[in-house]
Amino acid sequence: GQQVMQIPQYQHVQEGEDFTTYCNSSTTLSNIQWYKQRPGGHPVFLIQLVKSGEVKKQKRLTFQFGEAKKNSSLHITATQTTDVGTYFCAGGGYNKLIFGAGTRLAVHP
Amino acid sequence: ETGVTQTPRHLVMGMTNKKSLKCEQHLGHNAMYWYKQSAKKPLELMFVYNFKEQTENNSVPSRFSPECPNSSHLFLHLHTLQPEDSALYLCASSQDRGGANVLTFGAGSRLTVL
Repeated sequence: GQQVMQIPQYQHVQEGEDFTTYCNSSTTLSNIQWYKQRPGGHPVFLIQLVKSGEVKKQKRLTFQFGEAKKNSSLHITATQTTDVGTYFCAGGGYNKLIFGAGTRLAVHP
Repeated sequence: ETGVTQTPRHLVMGMTNKKSLKCEQHLGHNAMYWYKQSAKKPLELMFVYNFKEQTENNSVPSRFSPECPNSSHLFLHLHTLQPEDSALYLCASSQDRGGANVLTFGAGSRLTVL
């Protein structure tokens, strides 16, 4: 069945350093979505990418969708303590949205 | 307030108890979901309802019984649970069922089974 792998599982950075999480699907996706879950919170939708090679930015966050629509990345520039949380990608198939296991980001001041 | 409200936020129950989790969405969405999130596993999709009809049951044990009386309300009835069922249970909704739909999650119900 369709699988979505996400790496790394954990990432510890110093405040101000960059951070990247990667998402890979075993099948071609119709879209990729990214969610953020703060500690003690619930997943909150960040963005959706639909087009091959698409790049979207939200302030310090840059999201990319691969040319083959099978992989994606989220890059955070100059992390801040407010970026702490778990970032999930979710790959959309015909009738399913499959979540990756998430990358937990810790930011040390 | 996310537009998806879950109650109770915290629940402690014994293995012989019967309890229910409630979810209500005010977004006019047609699809609703139950997910389980535990420390050792990623988000696990349990049930999907579309226009109040169950469309997916991911091999969930029968001690979990969903109910969807209408497109705005979703329940998860719990009975004779096991300690390993302790987890955060998340309700979500989306405009329609399908992989391109964005999910809106509730705050979750934190369940502890003693």
